[in-house]
Formats: sequence, C-alpha cells, structure tokens
Amino acid sequence: GQQLNQSPQSMFIQEGEDVSMNCTSSSIFNTWLWYKQDPGEGPVLLIALYKAGELTSNGRLTAQFGITRKDSFLNISASIPSDVGIYFCAGPTPDSWGKLQFGAGTQVVVTP
Amino acid sequence: DAGVIQSPRHEVTEMGQEVTLRCKPISGHDYLFWYRQTMMRGLELLIYFNNNVPIDDSGMPEDRFSAKMPNASFSTLKIQPSEPRDSAVYFCASSLGAVTEAFFGQGTRLTVV
Repeated sequence: GQQLNQSPQSMFIQEGEDVSMNCTSSSIFNTWLWYKQDPGEGPVLLIALYKAGELTSNGRLTAQFGITRKDSFLNISASIPSDVGIYFCAGPTPDSWGKLQFGAGTQVVVTP
Repeated sequence: DAGVIQSPRHEVTEMGQEVTLRCKPISGHDYLFWYRQTMMRGLELLIYFNNNVPIDDSGMPEDRFSAKMPNASFSTLKIQPSEPRDSAVYFCASSLGAVTEAFFGQGTRLTVV
C-alpha cells in the first residue's frame, strides 16, 4: 500500500512567492527523489538525495533528506509561471531495492 | 539519446480488444519499469525488469495484463481483453542501476470504451 504521504495536495500561489512541500513515510528510505510532471508528459527528475541530512539545490529548487530518513522537503523559491505542475516525491521501498514508490503528488498552480 | 520512447501516444479501443503498448528504454539502462497513472490511484508500479528479466510483477492487476522484454531495447505491455477500468496513462521508465534516477517516457494514454 501507499507508504509515502505527500503534502499539501495542492497549492495556489502568486508569482514570486516561495513554495514548500514535504513527503513523509512510516519507513526509513535510503534515497529520496523529487520529480515534476507537466500536463501530458512523463515525470522528470528534479533532485536526487542519497544521504540523511543532505541538502541539494538545482537552480531555484532546494531539497533536503530528513535526518530521520523518514521525510524529505522540496522548496521552490521565487516561483514563476512555468513552475506549474505536479511534484512527486519517490523512493525505493525498504523491502524491494528496485521498486520506486511515488507519493500522491502536490499540484502547484502559479498565478501572475 | 532520445530518451525513453513509448508508442503509441494515444490509444482508443473497444472493450474486449487486445492492446499492446511499446517501450524503447534508454540505451545502456539495465532496469525497465512499467507504471500506470490514474487520478484515483496515482502512479502505480506494475512490473519491472532487470537485464530483460522480470523481477517483480506484483503490481500487475490481473492475468489480463502481461509484459515482456525480449531484448535490452524493447518491452511490451499487453492487456487482453481490455476493460474500461484499464483506461489510464501508462508510463515506461528506465534507469541505470536500481536506486538511481528513473527516466520516464511521455506515456501512452489508453482509453477503453
């Protein structure tokens, strides 16, 4: 069943605002991945995290691997219209190394 | 590399018909995944292969679903017979190694009427 809890489900923000979302699990994960999906497209990898406490940036995006290894955060600074989309956290399930599991996604809508 | 290539992009079929979805992974990638995406259930892993061998098919919903990977550059997902509840977007993804980043294709939007 679903082991990754992602929140919020959706966000409506104004251009220029910062965005924060998070993903939690009842199980320990050794890898956290953040993807973005544009309408009609497949998910695209934004950031990969492999170490507890790791903080990684990709342009205006910053993601952190929680110290407990049960959570991860994604921040988008100074949002722009093209940030619109669905953001997913993902990680391999603890019992199956190759089995990448996805959160339910956070829908981000940016208004001018 | 052109990335993961899926075909067709859209498929509309009648209930009871056989449907075959195709995927060409990124060259050199040794893992291939089939996912299904719906509003209700999100992204679900159906099956994945390592070096052309199916490793975990526990996500395949029913015997009507089958997947093959005859070689490192091609995989198919077949539904026979198809039902309206199979309507979804089906994604293929590939990766180099199990825990590294998976790259997704653009998906096949399947509609069964």
